[in-house]
Amino acid sequence: EDKVVQSPLSLVVHEGDTVTLNCSYEVTNFRSLLWYKQEKKAPTFLFMLTSSGIEKKSGRLSSILDKKELFSILNITATQTGDSAIYLCAVQRFNAGGTSYGKLTFGQGTILTVHP
Amino acid sequence: DGGITQSPKYLFRKEGQNVTLSCEQNLNHDAMYWYRQDPGQGLRLIYYSQIVNDFQKGDIAEGYSVSREKKESFPLTVTSAQKNPTAFYLCASSSRVFGQFFGPGTRLTVL
Repeated sequence: EDKVVQSPLSLVVHEGDTVTLNCSYEVTNFRSLLWYKQEKKAPTFLFMLTSSGIEKKSGRLSSILDKKELFSILNITATQTGDSAIYLCAVQRFNAGGTSYGKLTFGQGTILTVHP
Repeated sequence: DGGITQSPKYLFRKEGQNVTLSCEQNLNHDAMYWYRQDPGQGLRLIYYSQIVNDFQKGDIAEGYSVSREKKESFPLTVTSAQKNPTAFYLCASSSRVFGQFFGPGTRLTVL
């Protein structure tokens, strides 16, 4: 059974701090790892990672995947109160036919709270 | 606008009733998914569909049913057999290349 574990489960920081969120996984026929940000409603897509060692960046957020050690990190630099959210990590597998439609398995999420 | 829509936004149900949650997408995505989220937990997959007229059970399919008669639509029925249906329900769709994108969600409360 596919498994995704995120740590820490919750994190409280002050504006300007840098945070690192962790995601480790066990999945058969790994295709990709995805990060989402969830505020009050639906998750919004942040990154999709398929290759090891290639950092993806979007503003103050960045993420990297290690397929050998089976984990990913999400970094947020110079945090702002607007970064307060649940950050979800998910892994997608290839399905039996080898296409890209495999289901996602989500971790339990990291609740990030940024105080002014 | 392109995107995924879900309706209703809030839904109240009496015990013993079946209710149907709507999910529509105009992104031309082949695959669609239904998830359930409980407070303090991640998302759990209920059902998914990779193509019209085909769908598979996810991790927690008991008490739920779906149909996929059109590419754009993937409604979820929460039946009376679902013992604890109060939750936040999220629909998603994906293309072959990109990750999954989510609709705004439906919050179901059983009275």
